[in-house]
Amino acid sequence: KQEVTQIPAALSVPEGENLVLNCSFTDSAIYNLQWFRQDPGKGLTSLLLIQSSQREQTSGRLNASLDKSSGRSTLYIAASQPGDSATYLCAVKGGSYIPTFGRGTSLIVHP
Amino acid sequence: ETGVTQSPTHLIKTRGQQVTLRCSSQSGHNTVSWYQQALGQGPQFIFQYYREEENGRGNFPPRFSGLQFPNYSSELNVNALELDDSALYLCASSPVSESGETQYFGPGTRLLVL
Repeated sequence: KQEVTQIPAALSVPEGENLVLNCSFTDSAIYNLQWFRQDPGKGLTSLLLIQSSQREQTSGRLNASLDKSSGRSTLYIAASQPGDSATYLCAVKGGSYIPTFGRGTSLIVHP
Repeated sequence: ETGVTQSPTHLIKTRGQQVTLRCSSQSGHNTVSWYQQALGQGPQFIFQYYREEENGRGNFPPRFSGLQFPNYSSELNVNALELDDSALYLCASSPVSESGETQYFGPGTRLLVL
């Protein structure tokens, strides 16, 4: 059974810092890994999707990497802004096509 | 292009009742998935529908059931509600049921069971 762990559970930083959020998974036989953002009480917004054959994806200030062999992904946020405050979730999709989510990292960026 | 919409936004029910939640998929998407997200947890996969057939199910009892309609809207039905069913219910649509596609999520329905 796939298990997804996200570290840290919570993070509070001043504006302008570069951040690294971590996601680890136990079964490396995956099809893809997706990073989402969730604002309080809201649905999920897809940030980056990495296919199993890829090593990283970039969108603006966001960069996600994937190391399947070690069961790890990192989400790098450059020059953080207060608008980045949200919960960040990673989801791993394996052989059953059923995605498994981590519990998320709650990020607060204060001015 | 319209996004994924869900109704109602909030709902209060009592234990033992039945509830129906609705989702309208993004235009052109023929796959819809439903998730349950308890407070402080990540979303848990309930089931997925592709072209009106269930083609994947998570670890949820049969009292959780669904339907997908020809226009790709869908419903999640929960019978015999329990207190632990209180959660945010999310639906997500994607163009196909294969592994590589991004899912687009609706805003969710928050269900409170008293």
